[in-house]
Amino acid sequence: DIQMTQSPSSLSASVGDRVVITCRASQSITTYLNWYQQKPGKAPKVLIHITSSLQSGVPSRFSGSGSGTDFTLTISSLQPEDFATYYCQQSYGVPYTFGQGTKLEI
Amino acid sequence: QVQLVQSGAEVKKPGASVKVSCKASGYTFTNYALHWVRQAPGQSLEWMGWINADNGNTRYLEKFQGRVIISRDTSASTAYMEVRSLRYEDTAVYYCTRGPIAAETWFDPWGQGTLVSVSS
Repeated sequence: DIQMTQSPSSLSASVGDRVVITCRASQSITTYLNWYQQKPGKAPKVLIHITSSLQSGVPSRFSGSGSGTDFTLTISSLQPEDFATYYCQQSYGVPYTFGQGTKLEI
Repeated sequence: QVQLVQSGAEVKKPGASVKVSCKASGYTFTNYALHWVRQAPGQSLEWMGWINADNGNTRYLEKFQGRVIISRDTSASTAYMEVRSLRYEDTAVYYCTRGPIAAETWFDPWGQGTLVSVSS
């Protein structure tokens, strides 16, 4: 199985900050990498798919990049509604696997 | 709008079975796959398996093979996930989510989640 490792596991930031979350795969997944946001008690929501494609309706302050084994999610200017947990997920091969999550706190 | 609505919370004893439903609306049911993902308390997300809603083909995470069954009823636009021989560690929120029937897959939208509690 492909292991996904995110860093950091938690992050404290302020409104207006630029934040970068990284995700590393245990083998090359080309660009088959998706990012999700989850708020407490809610289902995850896809932000970015296939490394850098912004899901419809997601603000443009979110962006993704990378290829092979190393990927990043960038939030250019944090807004109050962005404080949540973020997960990366590979769709290169079954079983699909998720990172352990990055909790973004104020 | 595209929506997935899941059945309600369940409390089960160890060794019992549970079957969770996921009703789809707002799109052609057979044009997509449905995946099941679970989240134990305070933990990350774990993909369990998926069903091609068109032809009914399924694939499971190896640890669930033989204990989890995913099925669908195309006439009702509904997918089901049954977990047999429940263990305490199966206590989790179970989500259904839609994905393209393609190599490039991502999960959108998600159902609201179904809490399954295993307790004696």
